[in-house]
Amino acid sequence: EVQLVESGGGLVKPGGSLRLSCAASGFTFSSYSMHWVRQAPGKGLEWVSSICRDSANIYYADSLKGRFTTSRDNDRKLLYLQVNSLRGEDTAVYFCARGLSPVGGTREAFHIWGQGTMVTVSS
Amino acid sequence: EIVLTQSPGTLSLSPGERATLSCRASQSVSSNYLAWYQQKPGQAPRLLIFGASSRATGIPDRFSGSGSGTDFTLTISRLDPEDFAVYYCQHYASSPYNFGQGTKLEI
Repeated sequence: EVQLVESGGGLVKPGGSLRLSCAASGFTFSSYSMHWVRQAPGKGLEWVSSICRDSANIYYADSLKGRFTTSRDNDRKLLYLQVNSLRGEDTAVYFCARGLSPVGGTREAFHIWGQGTMVTVSS
Repeated sequence: EIVLTQSPGTLSLSPGERATLSCRASQSVSSNYLAWYQQKPGQAPRLLIFGASSRATGIPDRFSGSGSGTDFTLTISRLDPEDFAVYYCQHYASSPYNFGQGTKLEI
């Protein structure tokens, strides 16, 4: 079964850091682009970051550049999102998603989604 | 940066009716790199349509996408009770891969 499972969320104080993980199974992880999307409580979807299959190209939402870092370990089938200097507005469910086709770039619809991990930033 | 505007914000219809959802882009979306997603409360989004008009695997044929350039439409031909949810469009033509703000389809 094709599956993505996020972990690493939790309650963190403003200014703190977290590393979110996304474990992939059931497909050739190294062949697909991967993506992070977040959703604040009661709000819409917000694209966060995308990484191509060999990590050669990584993109971020402008508002998050410098604080968020995306990486992947193809051998371990893991996607990561390092989030630093957290603020209240970063409170959200963070989803990882897999690109639709194994063609290498990040210009893909987001086909497979995990169930998300909740990050709460509060003192 | 391509900004997507969805309309209406909320659409109130009944099962069996036809739903038409709109997504307008602030500039042309190259190669029709436009997707539609469905999200139900407490669930992850589900990909419905990619490439503006291609249905994802397992999506019923009552869902159809159309449009090009800056104007795109998601049509649900006959609403099933399970279709009441929030729908988002997204472009993936160039970073940032923005989403629209969503259309809530309610009974």
